[in-house]
Amino acid sequence: GDSVTQMEGPVTLSEEAFLTINCTYTATGYPSLFWYVQYPGEGLQLLLKATKADDKGSNKGFEATYRKETTSFHLEKGSVQVSDSAVYFCALSGPRGNNRKLIWGLGTSLAVNP
Amino acid sequence: NAGVTQTPKFRILKIGQSMTLQCTQDMNHNYMYWYRQDPGMGLKLIYYSVGAGITDKGEVPNGYNVSRSTTEDFPLRLELAAPSQTSVYFCASTTSGRGSGETQYFGPGTRLLVL
Repeated sequence: GDSVTQMEGPVTLSEEAFLTINCTYTATGYPSLFWYVQYPGEGLQLLLKATKADDKGSNKGFEATYRKETTSFHLEKGSVQVSDSAVYFCALSGPRGNNRKLIWGLGTSLAVNP
Repeated sequence: NAGVTQTPKFRILKIGQSMTLQCTQDMNHNYMYWYRQDPGMGLKLIYYSVGAGITDKGEVPNGYNVSRSTTEDFPLRLELAAPSQTSVYFCASTTSGRGSGETQYFGPGTRLLVL
């Protein structure tokens, strides 16, 4: 079945470092791909998404490109800040008829030190 | 729009007690979901609903019940609470409209401790 694999955390970076969090997926059809962020003590919120191959989602300096050839949707940011410390979840939309359920990765915890 | 709201924010239950976690959305979304998130873990789907009067089980439904009498509300009922139900519970919703990319909108969560 469809699945999402994220790199394991925790990831610890210094402020202004470059961030990559890897996400690969297995899916039938053409799913939409998502990155959600969960700040400490809060619910999840959508960070960015891409709905078709070669689309690039971007928000708050984060970017991810939907790569069908490598079945990947890696999250990147050029210069992280302490305020980016959070847990990041990669997800994909399930196959048609899946009642709009999302398939989730396990999350990657990011800690940014000043 | 308030989006998705959940009450209470935090609750302590004794083993064997029951409670209802409330979830309300004001976006007229047809689809609603309940997840649990255990410490250091990802999300597990408990129950979901595709519209008023229609609910179905997710991955981990045992020990829970839901109802969906209106589009806005999707309460989650815990009967006979057990320590294994200690978790953070999130409610989410999404529209059935096209072009949404199935984006789910989350509530702030309910932290439940069963002792």
